[in-house]
Amino acid sequence: NAGVTQTPKFQVLKTGQSMTLQCAQDMNHNSMYWYRQDPGMGLRLIYYSASEGTTDKGEVPNGYNVSRLNKREFSLRLESAAPSQTSVYFCASIKRQGSHRNTIYFGEGSWLTVV
Amino acid sequence: QQQVKQSPQSLIVQKGGISIINCAYENTAFDYFPWYQQFPGKGPALLIAIRPDVSEKKEGRFTISFNKSAKQFSLHIMDSQPGDSATYFCAASMSAETSGSRLTFGEGTQLTVNP
Repeated sequence: NAGVTQTPKFQVLKTGQSMTLQCAQDMNHNSMYWYRQDPGMGLRLIYYSASEGTTDKGEVPNGYNVSRLNKREFSLRLESAAPSQTSVYFCASIKRQGSHRNTIYFGEGSWLTVV
Repeated sequence: QQQVKQSPQSLIVQKGGISIINCAYENTAFDYFPWYQQFPGKGPALLIAIRPDVSEKKEGRFTISFNKSAKQFSLHIMDSQPGDSATYFCAASMSAETSGSRLTFGEGTQLTVNP
């Protein structure tokens, strides 16, 4: 029972390079999220997908794109990485959007450094 | 703007003491207030949560106190243990279907419990 799996766990990019963070959940959850965590700022929502086939912007979407490939997978793409995107990225999922009886589960994070 | 403000940024407590972390929110539409615990190298995990129709919720050594009129809520950890050393995040969300379960996080508190 893997839960929410993110890859890669660590990545160093040069400014201007592109990369995709992969996320998969095996809990048959409907909604998936990408957050970034920066010191002193908590976790901020980048994009989310309420259900397969839909995506919406969160609090800090600039410089990112997402794809909800299927119900299990939700990827985050940096088209042209910038040093300001150095952060820890967390993918999360929940069974049903709008219900607080369902817990949000987080992956273990992806550490991204842009030099 | 930070819709959920958390304090203190860091906290050092002796074993057996009481740890208290405070949060204040602005949006009166928030109706779900969870606390997350995060250990180094791991994703956040739900610790305890409260709805605004109650003023207190207790689970073991962890208690949430909620003051709706002041728009504040706090986490109390009784008999703090070294194993409680972690980063704690308060969060808030709205149950309205259009916003789903998007969490707005506080800045985080790094708790250290000395043996």
